[in-house]
Amino acid sequence: GESVGLHLPTLSVQEGDNSIINCAYSNSASDYFIWYKQESGKGPQFIIDIRSNMDKRQGQRVTVLLNKTVKHLSLQIAATQPGDSAVYFCAEKRGANSKLTFGKGITLSVRP
Amino acid sequence: DAGVIQSPRHEVTEMGQEVTLRCKPISGHNSLFWYRQTMMRGLELLIYFNNNVPIDDSGMPEDRFSAKMPNASFSTLKIQPSEPRDSAVYFCASSSARTSGETQYFGPGTRLLVL
Repeated sequence: GESVGLHLPTLSVQEGDNSIINCAYSNSASDYFIWYKQESGKGPQFIIDIRSNMDKRQGQRVTVLLNKTVKHLSLQIAATQPGDSAVYFCAEKRGANSKLTFGKGITLSVRP
Repeated sequence: DAGVIQSPRHEVTEMGQEVTLRCKPISGHNSLFWYRQTMMRGLELLIYFNNNVPIDDSGMPEDRFSAKMPNASFSTLKIQPSEPRDSAVYFCASSSARTSGETQYFGPGTRLLVL
């Protein structure tokens, strides 16, 4: 999951396969989590979010899983498409008036 | 809705010059955030406003940076004087507790290069 230094970790998947992008968060008191997708030259785009009172939430082709015991968040993308190639960020927040803290991002590369 | 609008999209300036970045949040959103993104540090929150009032500016790097939100539909981030290390992509985001909950919606960013 998390990146170190200048180079973002990269996940390479075959088109049509399922992708799982993992994220470890730091604050056990965080109660809101969100995934963003950022394509080259664009701003981060909201994908899906989840609150700490849930452990799974599904959207269109995406599922977010939350494991509070080990402070782990994952994003699953079904039937990955070339348009899914991007950098994915997880972010966490504690309380309504706190700020989002972003992870460093993971690059998803889809092979045709 | 047009989404968050930022201008300019690209800015190239020389060290020492003043730079002003502009943001129009999504209509009806009452929270506005300024972020900076670099390869070294990732996405960093600089400052955020709630109902036009600055709430947390602890991420503003130094006194050369200032931000204002004179009304609900406009905000500026100013760097004076600019330095080469300020080169980055600056994003504005907005949210509404009433309509979008805690989800922040980002603009396309301003790519700043200080020579």
